[in-house]
Amino acid sequence: DQQVKQNSPSLSVQEGRISILNCDYTNSMFDYFLWYKKYPAEGPTFLISISSIKDKNEDGRFTVFLNKSAKHLSLHIVPSQPGDSAVYFCAASARGNTPLVFGKGTRLSVIA
Amino acid sequence: DAGVIQSPRHEVTEMGQEVTLRCKPISGHNSLFWYRQTMMRGLELLIYFNNNVPIDDSGMPEDRFSAKMPNASFSTLKIQPSEPRDSAVYFCASSFVQPYEQYFGPGTRLTVT
Repeated sequence: DQQVKQNSPSLSVQEGRISILNCDYTNSMFDYFLWYKKYPAEGPTFLISISSIKDKNEDGRFTVFLNKSAKHLSLHIVPSQPGDSAVYFCAASARGNTPLVFGKGTRLSVIA
Repeated sequence: DAGVIQSPRHEVTEMGQEVTLRCKPISGHNSLFWYRQTMMRGLELLIYFNNNVPIDDSGMPEDRFSAKMPNASFSTLKIQPSEPRDSAVYFCASSFVQPYEQYFGPGTRLTVT
């Protein structure tokens, strides 16, 4: 039973446009959400996070939106750059430093 | 800051052999996690430690897998005997209690023939 779902395995976007990556979760106990970015032959690197007490968190070109009622979060990248091409993982945690539950990832390709 | 260090980066072994993967977490972090990544199942948590104590090993696939953390700066994941279906990338990650972000090592790509 997948508690964190990323239903789009891949996404292709033109350079300069907005990239929107989506994530759905089923466990209502999740209260902390993170996005990780992974390049080939490297480990995932932390990108941005959001607590369930917020509905938006912004860091430069990256913004995460959380819709608790829909159990949905999204990552917006504006403007998209070729260096953003990577696999993006959504992850969630319940009540503190419990292990993260990861989605299966979305491969983003930003085309110049 | 060296980040999480994993060794070896690549391991090729024959079925039946023992495999040991190593991890050095970021200094000062008190939680350590072992994950396995496959195409089919994505990133799966195998086991995690808090303050060197194993907390949850329910993700360990079978008794062939074992993990230890003898001190705050070192952990091992052992597979004995290895099987072809164990072929995957194994990641180690560490974190503070707060904030909750985990920092990953570069991974060990294991191939069992």
